[in-house]
Amino acid sequence: AQSVAQPEDQVNVAEGNPLTVKCTYSVSGNPYLFWYVQYPNRGLQFLLKYITGDNLVKGSYGFEAEFNKSQTSFHLKKPSALVSDSALYFCAVRDANGGSQGNLIFGKGTKLSVKP
Amino acid sequence: DTEVTQTPKHLVMGMTNKKSLKCEQHMGHRAMYWYKQKAKKPPELMFVYSYEKLSINESVPSRFSPECPNSSLLNLHLHALQPEDSALYLCASSQIDSFNEKLFFGSGTQLSVL
Repeated sequence: AQSVAQPEDQVNVAEGNPLTVKCTYSVSGNPYLFWYVQYPNRGLQFLLKYITGDNLVKGSYGFEAEFNKSQTSFHLKKPSALVSDSALYFCAVRDANGGSQGNLIFGKGTKLSVKP
Repeated sequence: DTEVTQTPKHLVMGMTNKKSLKCEQHMGHRAMYWYKQKAKKPPELMFVYSYEKLSINESVPSRFSPECPNSSLLNLHLHALQPEDSALYLCASSQIDSFNEKLFFGSGTQLSVL
């Protein structure tokens, strides 16, 4: 069975500092990995995805994520955090052995708080 | 237009009421989804429509009834709900129902069942 773990409930960062939001996954086949962000009282917004190819994926708003197969991780990073990055971040995984989007599994979410 | 529009934004209903949530997209997407999200929790998939046909029902109680009248519209009909059904209901769409497609989410309907 596929699963995704976000070990931190909350990450606190000072504005201008680099940020990392951690994600590890477990799938039986090749993973398809996604990051979504949710601002208060809003739906989720797609940030980036890893399907295949370069392990470093660049996404929206200056975010990037690095796929590490040996560590089964897909950590979200940004070189310089902004106060406006404060939101709830969800990692999601799908096993390529399946057929439909219906098996997209979300992590529990990590609240990112960026202080001025 | 890259938006998924959900109405109403807020809904309060009694346990004997019948109400409907509506979702609309004009991106030409052929897959549409309903998710339920409790506060500070991840979204949970309820239903998937692919080419206007119900393809996935995640064992959702029959008091929730989805409908996809056409490729742009998705409804969720509610009847005899329980207080524990109070949650944020999110609609999403993707080009097709495929494992590598990203989802576009609406802002949701915050539902309170009294």
